[in-house]
Amino acid sequence: KQEVTQIPAALSVPEGENLVLNCSFTDSAIYNLQWFRQDPGKGLTSLLLIQSSQREQTSGRLNASLDKSSGRSTLYIAASQPGDSATYLCGSNTDKLIFGTGTRLQVFP
Amino acid sequence: DTAVSQTPKYLVTQMGNDKSIKCEQNLGHDTMYWYKQDSKKFLKIMFSYNNKELIINETVPNRFSPKSPDKAHLNLHINSLELGDSAVYFCASSRDSYSSGNTIYFGEGSWLTVV
Repeated sequence: KQEVTQIPAALSVPEGENLVLNCSFTDSAIYNLQWFRQDPGKGLTSLLLIQSSQREQTSGRLNASLDKSSGRSTLYIAASQPGDSATYLCGSNTDKLIFGTGTRLQVFP
Repeated sequence: DTAVSQTPKYLVTQMGNDKSIKCEQNLGHDTMYWYKQDSKKFLKIMFSYNNKELIINETVPNRFSPKSPDKAHLNLHINSLELGDSAVYFCASSRDSYSSGNTIYFGEGSWLTVV
């Protein structure tokens, strides 16, 4: 049974910092891994999707990496901004999408 | 235009009532899902339909019954509501099922409060 863990549970940083969010999963037989952002009172917005054959994906200031053998993915956010404040969820896709409990990020000016 | 839309956004109802949440996607996707997010923000899949056929049915009480009249719609009906059903319910869709590795798109959620 797939289990997904995200560390840290919460993070508060000053604007401009580079930061790393971590996601680990127990079953490496995944089709892909997807990072999402959830704003308060809103649904999930897909940020990056990494297929099992890929090592990383980039979109703007975001870079996600995937190491299937060690069961880990990281989301790197460069030059963080207050608008990045949200909860970040990773979902590992085996026969269904299993989510971690998220990292709540606050970026203060 | 909203890609995945669900109604109502907020619903407050008494224990024992029956209620429905509707979901529609205009992305032309074949697969739709219902997820439940509890008070601790843990998001868990409930059901998945592919071309109107049920393909995932997690351990969900049979008071919850999904219905897919066509592949663009997946409604969730809940009978005999209980306090523990209070949660945010998210509808989502993807082009194909999970194994094809497509991005999943979520609706904005329906906040259900049972009193």
